[in-house]
Amino acid sequence: AQSVAQPEDQVNVAEGNPLTVKCTYSVSGNPYLFWYVQYPNRGLQFLLKYITGDNLVKGSYGFEAEFNKSQTSFHLKKPSALVSDSALYFCAVAGRGADGLTFGKGTHLIIQP
Amino acid sequence: ETGVTQSPTHLIKTRGQQVTLRCSSQSGHNTVSWYQQALGQGPQFIFQYYREEENGRGNFPPRFSGLQFPNYSSELNVNALELDDSALYLCASSFWVGQSDTQYFGPGTRLTVL
Repeated sequence: AQSVAQPEDQVNVAEGNPLTVKCTYSVSGNPYLFWYVQYPNRGLQFLLKYITGDNLVKGSYGFEAEFNKSQTSFHLKKPSALVSDSALYFCAVAGRGADGLTFGKGTHLIIQP
Repeated sequence: ETGVTQSPTHLIKTRGQQVTLRCSSQSGHNTVSWYQQALGQGPQFIFQYYREEENGRGNFPPRFSGLQFPNYSSELNVNALELDDSALYLCASSFWVGQSDTQYFGPGTRLTVL
């Protein structure tokens, strides 16, 4: 069975600084990896995904993620954080066939002015 | 915002009752998945519907059931509600059933079981 680990419950970053939210995964077969963001009392909003190809994936709102097969990681990054980036971020991996997405527990990102 | 809508927004039920949650897929999407998100946790996959048939299921008991209609809208039914069923229920639609396809989520239904 597939799994996702987000080792940090919370990440604090000063506005304007680069940010990284970590994610590692375990899956048999090709990994299909996703990042979603959730604002309070809202559903999940898609940011980006890795299917194949370039290890650096660019997504919405200036976010990007780096896929590293040898380290089984898919870290979310942004060169310059905004206060409005403060939210709950989820990494997910697609299961086999119709097994749905398996999510990590989420990381609270707090951007301090 | 995605084109996925869910109703109702909030719901309060008592233990033992039954509940039906509704989801309208984004236009052009023929696959719908349901997730349960308990407080402080990531979403957990309940099941997926494609062409009106359940074609994938997570680790949830049979009292969780669903339907998909010809217009690709969907329902989640939960019988014999338990306190632990209190959660945010998320519906997601995708263009097709493949693993790599992006799932777009609705705003969710917050269910409280007393």
